[in-house]
Amino acid sequence: AQRVTQPEKLLSVFKGAPVELKCNYSYSGSPELFWYVQYSRQRLQLLLRHISRESIKGFTADLNKGETSFHLKKPFAQEEDSAMYYCALGYNFNKFYFGSGTKLNVKP
Amino acid sequence: EAQVTQNPRYLITVTGKKLTVTCSQNMNHEYMSWYRQDPGLGLRQIYYSMNVEVTDKGDVPEGYKVSRKEKRNFPLILESPSPNQTSLYFCASSLFAGVTDTQYFGPGTRLTVL
Repeated sequence: AQRVTQPEKLLSVFKGAPVELKCNYSYSGSPELFWYVQYSRQRLQLLLRHISRESIKGFTADLNKGETSFHLKKPFAQEEDSAMYYCALGYNFNKFYFGSGTKLNVKP
Repeated sequence: EAQVTQNPRYLITVTGKKLTVTCSQNMNHEYMSWYRQDPGLGLRQIYYSMNVEVTDKGDVPEGYKVSRKEKRNFPLILESPSPNQTSLYFCASSLFAGVTDTQYFGPGTRLTVL
């Protein structure tokens, strides 16, 4: 069965420190992977997706099919990065499975 | 403003009393989907629709119904709500069906079933 695991419920770092939010998936097919973010009092919104290979707000994520991971990274965290982050798997053409989320807290 | 709207935002009801949560988008999106979010479980997909009159089950469809008679609307129907359907519900839409497109989310509906 397809699954997305985000092992950390809460991640606290200091401003300027590197950040890595972990995401592991299980899916026998070819996965489509996304990171969504929810800032305080805002809607859930797309941060980035693996097919675009882009960097958004300094965040990057690389799909590692060997380790079935899609970790989100940023070299220098900012206070405005504090939010809830969800890793999501798109599968079977129209279905999505979201991880349970990681709350990132960037301390000044 | 292009967006997904949900109504109501908050609802407290009793077991067995039929209710509908509406979802509407003004972006001419083909794909719409309903999720529920429970503590520690993330978002779980209930139903999705690839276009008008085309709907299919997600991971947790039991106890829910949907319809897609118009492109802009995708209501979620609970014909006989039970306390285990107490949850935070999100509607989302994307321009095209398929898993590569960006989903745009509504603000959420917090439902409590007593």
